[in-house]
Amino acid sequence: GQNIDQPTEMTATEGAIVQINCTYQTSGFNGLFWYQQHAGEAPTFLSYNVLDGLEEKGRFSSFLSRSKGYSYLLLKELQMKDSASYLCAVRDRDYKLSFGAGTTVTVRA
Amino acid sequence: IAGITQAPTSQILAAGRRMTLRCTQDMRHNAMYWYRQDLGLGLRLIHYSNTAGTTGKGEVPDGYSVSRANTDDFPLTLASAVPSQTSVYFCASSDGTGGDTQYFGPGTRLTVL
Repeated sequence: GQNIDQPTEMTATEGAIVQINCTYQTSGFNGLFWYQQHAGEAPTFLSYNVLDGLEEKGRFSSFLSRSKGYSYLLLKELQMKDSASYLCAVRDRDYKLSFGAGTTVTVRA
Repeated sequence: IAGITQAPTSQILAAGRRMTLRCTQDMRHNAMYWYRQDLGLGLRLIHYSNTAGTTGKGEVPDGYSVSRANTDDFPLTLASAVPSQTSVYFCASSDGTGGDTQYFGPGTRLTVL
């Protein structure tokens, strides 16, 4: 099974940078995903890491260290629309996802 | 527009009643999933199907059943609803290959009284 931990809440100022950490313990790692979920909406895909290192996609970057069971999602140049929950999910060898409880990010003007 | 649809959007149900949540995707994805999302617990997998004709149990399958008669549809049935099944239910699909991503439907908000 999977055990996934991420902070419950984070607050940052518009234009700033926020880093959301995710640690996991898994019996069979096969990739890590980050999803964004606005209140009352469905999760939407942000990023995918399967190898160690940094994946950059515009203002969002995601990092993975498999040996440490650690990932982070970096949000740069924060905008008000980035206020949402960010979900860390680990995929196992059967292609099933296990999700953390999510980190609610509040962006303040 | 390609994607996943779920019905109903929301439902209030008396305990003991039977309820089927519908999920349809038009992306020809092989794999489909049902999750429930509860405050503080995140998304938890109920049942999944890797391909039409097959299903499997997830983390919290008790009280739920699924079927996968064809590629597009993956209904979730609560045979006899209980208040603890009050939740938001999300259906998702993926193409089932190596680097695939799961795409989520809009969700069904279910309240069992």
